Amino acid sequence: QVQLQASGPGLVKPSQTLSLTCTVSGVSISSGGYYWTWIRQHPGKGLEWIGYISYSGSTYYNPSLESRVTISVDTSKNQFSLKLSSVTAADTAVYYCARARNYYDGSYSYLTFDMWGQGTMVTVSS
Amino acid sequence: DIQMTQSPSSLSASVGDRVTITCRASQSITYFLNWYQQKPGKAPKLLIYAASTLQSGVPSRFSGSGSATDFTLTISSLQPEDFATYYCQQSYSTPWTFGQGTKVEIK
Repeated sequence: QVQLQASGPGLVKPSQTLSLTCTVSGVSISSGGYYWTWIRQHPGKGLEWIGYISYSGSTYYNPSLESRVTISVDTSKNQFSLKLSSVTAADTAVYYCARARNYYDGSYSYLTFDMWGQGTMVTVSS
Repeated sequence: DIQMTQSPSSLSASVGDRVTITCRASQSITYFLNWYQQKPGKAPKLLIYAASTLQSGVPSRFSGSGSATDFTLTISSLQPEDFATYYCQQSYSTPWTFGQGTKVEIK
């Protein structure tokens, strides 16, 4: 079955770059129809979509983070990655990788986050 | 950005109760509304998409309704495993956004 697993340092110093990797199993990351996504959740708070990379390699980022975010893919390892630069304490959160897919009802395509990794906690602190 | 507002923020209910959670969008999102369940320490799980379509494997006691700006998630008979936090999410336009969550607790 499809599984996603996020990994990376749990502690990052302020002003440095947060780097996380999501390893995907059970499906090829370069197969069509999916958007490989990062979402974060601040402690005790709601969910914030960070951005995605598509099967074709195109990216789209949340404008609130766009200037600091890069999402890339390594098809040889079936992984995709997140880099968030110039981090502050406000970037402390659980980071989830997820698969976004569309469900088509004959008229419209409805995008969902249908598979999620387990999440990895990242703390920004000196 | 489209703002998603859920109510209530939390509720207490007993096993067997009917529970309704509301989600309101800041503009019309037609039927582009998803619901997720999150248990402590776990990733969210997709329950419903397109406002009312049950994801495969989700029990039929969960249902969704609504359109445009107002949506509801209903649990017809609350089970012990349903105590969790529920989030709505719009997929009408980017950036995709979530509600702040509704925590369902045991009475």
